[in-house]
Amino acid sequence: NFMLTQPHSVSESPGKTVTISCTGSSGSIASNYVQWYQQRPGSAPTTVIYEDNQRPSGVPDRFSGSIDSSSNSASLTISGLKTEDEADYYCQSYDSSNRNWVFGGGTKLTVL
Amino acid sequence: QVQLQESGPGLVKPSETLSLTCAVSGYSISSGYYWGWIRQPPGKGLEWIGSIYHSGSTYYNPSLKSRVTISVDTSKNQFSLKLSSVTAADTAVYYCARMGWETGADYWGQGTLVTVSS
Repeated sequence: NFMLTQPHSVSESPGKTVTISCTGSSGSIASNYVQWYQQRPGSAPTTVIYEDNQRPSGVPDRFSGSIDSSSNSASLTISGLKTEDEADYYCQSYDSSNRNWVFGGGTKLTVL
Repeated sequence: QVQLQESGPGLVKPSETLSLTCAVSGYSISSGYYWGWIRQPPGKGLEWIGSIYHSGSTYYNPSLKSRVTISVDTSKNQFSLKLSSVTAADTAVYYCARMGWETGADYWGQGTLVTVSS
């Protein structure tokens, strides 16, 4: 089955830039769109990136998404880090061969 | 504005069946999209349980497929989850969501905690 692997945690200082990776286990991650969700404690996840690199309205342009086919991975980059960005981030894609939605294990972002 | 609201018992006994309903407002289920259930055990990550298309076609996580049933009631604009033979490992916050295979889950319910315990 298709799986997505994320680092367990990342940390960076306010004002800096951080990148969170999401690596596909097989096939081409570019075959289906990747979404990124932000989840703060006690709240439901919200979308920060959809269709690889699109931002929903209301999400600041400090958030960006990209795909690297050579490493079969997707990335979420957050620039100008703010303490309010501290949260868990999940990537998600679709396994079209099995018609399954797949989530990565999540990455805890600490802004210190 | 699309809104989803989960409802159901917060406590289920081991070996029994967990049943939840998701009421949708602001959008007609019959108009399209997939409608799914996602869960999150305490302190852990998100797990997709399954989804149903407005036509009734269902798709389940292979790891849960033998125990899961998702159904839709378009007349009430709601869909439901049944998970049988539950154990403590099924204790989680259960979310319902509107889903697209391209866009992922774009609208989520607030989530409901279901505890499996005797």
